[in-house]
Amino acid sequence: KNEVEQSPQNLTAQEGEFITINCSYSVGISALHWLQQHPGGGIVSLFMLSSGKKKHGRLIATINIQEKHSSLHITASHPRDSAVYICAANSGGSNYKLTFGKGTLLTVNP
Amino acid sequence: DAGVTQSPTHLIKTRGQHVTLRCSPISGHKSVSWYQQVLGQGPQFIFQYYEKEERGRGNFPDRFSARQFPNYSSELNVNALLLGDSALYLCASRPVVTGASTDTQYFGPGTRLTVL
Repeated sequence: KNEVEQSPQNLTAQEGEFITINCSYSVGISALHWLQQHPGGGIVSLFMLSSGKKKHGRLIATINIQEKHSSLHITASHPRDSAVYICAANSGGSNYKLTFGKGTLLTVNP
Repeated sequence: DAGVTQSPTHLIKTRGQHVTLRCSPISGHKSVSWYQQVLGQGPQFIFQYYEKEERGRGNFPDRFSARQFPNYSSELNVNALLLGDSALYLCASRPVVTGASTDTQYFGPGTRLTVL
């Protein structure tokens, strides 16, 4: 069993829909990251969370430390949001070891 | 400011060969980490270097090695390449300003290695 599990693996939405991607982890963490990866490989860091909630534009990330669960929400989705979204848990403390989920492939259709 | 840069962008090797991948962190970033991403999977942690010392190692064989130079750039070396080493190799840097574990990592574009 992976230490970091994401769901769903694939998600197709219509433009404008509200999207939720979930991440559960089984290890103790110091921070949880949400990353975006476009075709071709480049990874962009969206959020780093250790508690509560963060918002950036149409993206919202939440984390519940007690339940070891995090969610990434996209409001008013757009085709340019189509990408792979990956959550990663930093369980290494100051050694900063990231354990990644397998990613969620999001496709937003116009 | 330039982001994390990696070279080469693409590389084709044959089984048994050796490969060296290079990474230049963002200016001022002292920590570099390497990850392997096999097609269809999430990245896997290989190494972390900070101040030229190895600070973490993932579950990879001794064929994988790395080093960090005084200018904080880094090389990842893989010996005796296997078909299964074909992957996207990602480098990430972070500033480690506070020494805590809550710095954001910045990823490079990756080097796509194909082993034939």
